[in-house]
Amino acid sequence: KAGVTQTPRYLIKTRGQQVTLSCSPISGHRSVSWYQQTPGQGLQFLFEYFSETQRNKGNFPGRFSGRQFSNSRSEMNVSTLELGDSALYLCASSLGRASGSASSYEQYFGPGTRLTVT
Amino acid sequence: GENVEQHPSTLSVQEGDSAVIKCTYSDSASNYFPWYKQELGKRPQLIIDIRSNVGEKKDQRIAVTLNKTAKHFSLHITETQPEDSAVYFCAASRNQFYFGTGTSLTVIP
Repeated sequence: KAGVTQTPRYLIKTRGQQVTLSCSPISGHRSVSWYQQTPGQGLQFLFEYFSETQRNKGNFPGRFSGRQFSNSRSEMNVSTLELGDSALYLCASSLGRASGSASSYEQYFGPGTRLTVT
Repeated sequence: GENVEQHPSTLSVQEGDSAVIKCTYSDSASNYFPWYKQELGKRPQLIIDIRSNVGEKKDQRIAVTLNKTAKHFSLHITETQPEDSAVYFCAASRNQFYFGTGTSLTVIP
């Protein structure tokens, strides 16, 4: 199976702009989670989508939003970019614990999108 | 919410020695504990995981132990090799995933 893919891989934006990142999960996976990774804060959970519905949400401001499509692909949007939004944004896919089997817990990461805000 | 603490933040070992990384969690309802390895410039990779109904799991040179009473779990790497050098993250999950802050492991040849 193909792994999790993310586009674009690199992005440079200016403060105040908005950005949309895309994530395609492993085939058959219905859950997509988004994380922000920075050297100081580590991996911070943004939100999780399962079957087109936001199932969990982390402690990020409303400028961060997402959605999931019927084919499980997910997008994340950040509006009014700030310098502090510069980070590696990772998405991860899983079966989403729907079946309760051990493998349904396993989460696999994409390569990430490196966002730089200037 | 859940709080995951990970120690040590950096670890250097001689090739062939063992390495142990420890994590504690706060939410007793967490039931899934994965470990990820992230090499420089690459994505985190799932290397081993354990569910709350199991006390120990082993996969070749890697093992994970879980103590639910004390709310801590550990990663053990035996016979370390230079290619084990990376940042290792633990996580605890009930619904969403909470990650530790990472351990930078260096294996000295």
